Amino acid sequence: GAGVSQSPSNKVTEKGKDVELRCDPISGHTALYWYRQRLGQGLEFLIYFQGNSAPDKSGLPSDRFSAERTGESVSTLTIQRTQQEDSAVYLCASSPWTGGTFSNQPQHFGDGTRLSIL
Amino acid sequence: GDSVTQMEGPVTLSEEAFLTINCTYTATGYPSLFWYVQYPGEGLQLLLKATKADDKGSNKGFEATYRKETTSFHLEKGSVQVSDSAVYFCALVILIQGAQKLVFGQGTRLTINP
Repeated sequence: GAGVSQSPSNKVTEKGKDVELRCDPISGHTALYWYRQRLGQGLEFLIYFQGNSAPDKSGLPSDRFSAERTGESVSTLTIQRTQQEDSAVYLCASSPWTGGTFSNQPQHFGDGTRLSIL
Repeated sequence: GDSVTQMEGPVTLSEEAFLTINCTYTATGYPSLFWYVQYPGEGLQLLLKATKADDKGSNKGFEATYRKETTSFHLEKGSVQVSDSAVYFCALVILIQGAQKLVFGQGTRLTINP
């Protein structure tokens, strides 16, 4: 079946512009995650959504970052007034609801959006 | 807090060499542990996993054993191939509000020369 889909795959924009990144999770996956991967570094958790619960925004690096999710489907990550340090690959992942316990089903990742701020 | 520490890269080996990439973790309780791999130009893929102490995860010739006593999950392969060249990430999962939040190590870039 279809995996996690992210768009655009690449985005180049000028400093100060706003950008929107999109993620389509696997159908039926209630949990959705955004991560950031800077060049040569590991993945940095940004935000996650679980069903209709309030999102965990603890990883967002500043108030220029925000994310929304419509029900249990598409999510958009918005970065306002972009800065050069925002340049990174932004990865989205989804996973099934675990029912409150650990599951053997891992997160499934999209191919990411490579964001370059000039 | 929960964290993962990986062996620093880059690591360069010759084909058929033995590979070990060290990974240690700090966590409350006993998290599930994963190795993810990112091949050039591709997204993250799950390589293997272990969900409890002494479990051994294996896939594509790679193995890792969940060692509770040393809080480690080292990745090994007996004979690497050029196609194994990639970035490898060790990760643990913690449970927050019913969802699995992954905590990643910084990644280890592996290059295999023919």
